[in-house]
Amino acid sequence: QKEVEQNSGPLSVPEGAIASLNCTYSDRGSQSFFWYRQYSGKSPELIMSIYSNGDKEDGRFTAQLNKASQYVSLLIRDSQPSDSATYLCALTISGYSTLTFGKGTMLLVSP
Amino acid sequence: DVKVTQSSRYLVKRTGEKVFLECVQDMDHENMFWYRQDPGLGLRLIYFSYDVKMKEKGDIPEGYSVSREKKERFSLILESASTNQTSMYLCASGGQAYSGANVLTFGAGSRLTVL
Repeated sequence: QKEVEQNSGPLSVPEGAIASLNCTYSDRGSQSFFWYRQYSGKSPELIMSIYSNGDKEDGRFTAQLNKASQYVSLLIRDSQPSDSATYLCALTISGYSTLTFGKGTMLLVSP
Repeated sequence: DVKVTQSSRYLVKRTGEKVFLECVQDMDHENMFWYRQDPGLGLRLIYFSYDVKMKEKGDIPEGYSVSREKKERFSLILESASTNQTSMYLCASGGQAYSGANVLTFGAGSRLTVL
């Protein structure tokens, strides 16, 4: 059973703070992990991908992967009101190429 | 940038009507996908295609069919629309990451209301 769990939120943080978004998964065979951002009324857009344990940084975003503990997280430094959106965690299972999505965490960044 | 274009942004149909949702991508991707997104249920895969004239069922294919006659175009068909098919439909085009996983680019979505 492919499962991707995310807290639905909303996660509320003040402007300038670090937002931490978490995702856990059930299949140890999962190999590739993605974070998508979805603004209200819009379609998801890819912001980060990570394939190996550890941290991957891209600007204000850092993705963290821990396969032993089966979680992946997204840190957003210096959060801005424009970061307010729903963040979707997605992954692929070993041997498959389709993505399984979590239901997303809503992030609200207040000025 | 990859562009994925969905033909209709908003549609209103009546129960029993046949509905076509069309999707075109311009980056020569082999892989295309149809999802529906509903509040509280997230994104669910309906059908996908890895090549022209190929199709594979996703997690919720019942009540839907697809057509891929050309590489750039992937159509979703509701043979007889029902009210429980009221949803946001998202088409995606997949470019391969080095791991073999599809890195998806989504279209703007088609919001379908079935009355």
